[in-house]
Amino acid sequence: NAGVTQTPKFRVLKTGQSMTLLCAQDMNHEYMYWYRQDPGMGLRLIHYSVGEGTTAKGEVPDGYNVSRLKKQNFLLGLESAAPSQTSVYFCASSYVTGGPLGNQPQHFGDGTRLSIL
Amino acid sequence: SQQGEEDPQALSIQEGENATMNCSYKTSINNLQWYRQNSGRGLVHLILIRSNEREKHSGRLRVTLDTSKKSSSLLITASRAADTASYFCATVFLGGYQKVTFGIGTKLQVIP
Repeated sequence: NAGVTQTPKFRVLKTGQSMTLLCAQDMNHEYMYWYRQDPGMGLRLIHYSVGEGTTAKGEVPDGYNVSRLKKQNFLLGLESAAPSQTSVYFCASSYVTGGPLGNQPQHFGDGTRLSIL
Repeated sequence: SQQGEEDPQALSIQEGENATMNCSYKTSINNLQWYRQNSGRGLVHLILIRSNEREKHSGRLRVTLDTSKKSSSLLITASRAADTASYFCATVFLGGYQKVTFGIGTKLQVIP
């Protein structure tokens, strides 16, 4: 049982380049999330999805796009990378059992460390 | 900010001692969760405590919630070197945009 798998684990980009971060979960979770973690800032929600084919903006969505074409996959795209997007990116997933978003524990991947020069 | 705030930001103790971390928040919550993050890894869920609960236990972990003071504490008893990690509280606020909001964490070092 792999849980939440993120690829790649590390990446260095040049300003203006694009890339896609991949997240896959094998727990049949409905909800999936993308966060970024920066020193002194905690985790901040970029985008999230409450089911296949649906996405929504989080706290810091600018400069990112997402897609959830399959229930098990959640993709995060950077169309034109900027140095301010240097961060560690985490994907998470959770069940939905009623109640508000966040009412169930989230399962996290091990992150993608992204540097933009 | 609605973000929970952990206190202290860093804590160093000897193996076998108890470690207490606190989390304060500003608005009413649905639930509060504690997570652990080992260096270079993702967050791992420890305990979820709902707003109508006052205390929960899981192994060597004890979490309390005081909604009147808008605060929670995480107690790790008989700490081990393997408990060295960062600990985050995460809050789900009532009303409006409901999402999990993470604090900046407490970095715990347990010295063998």
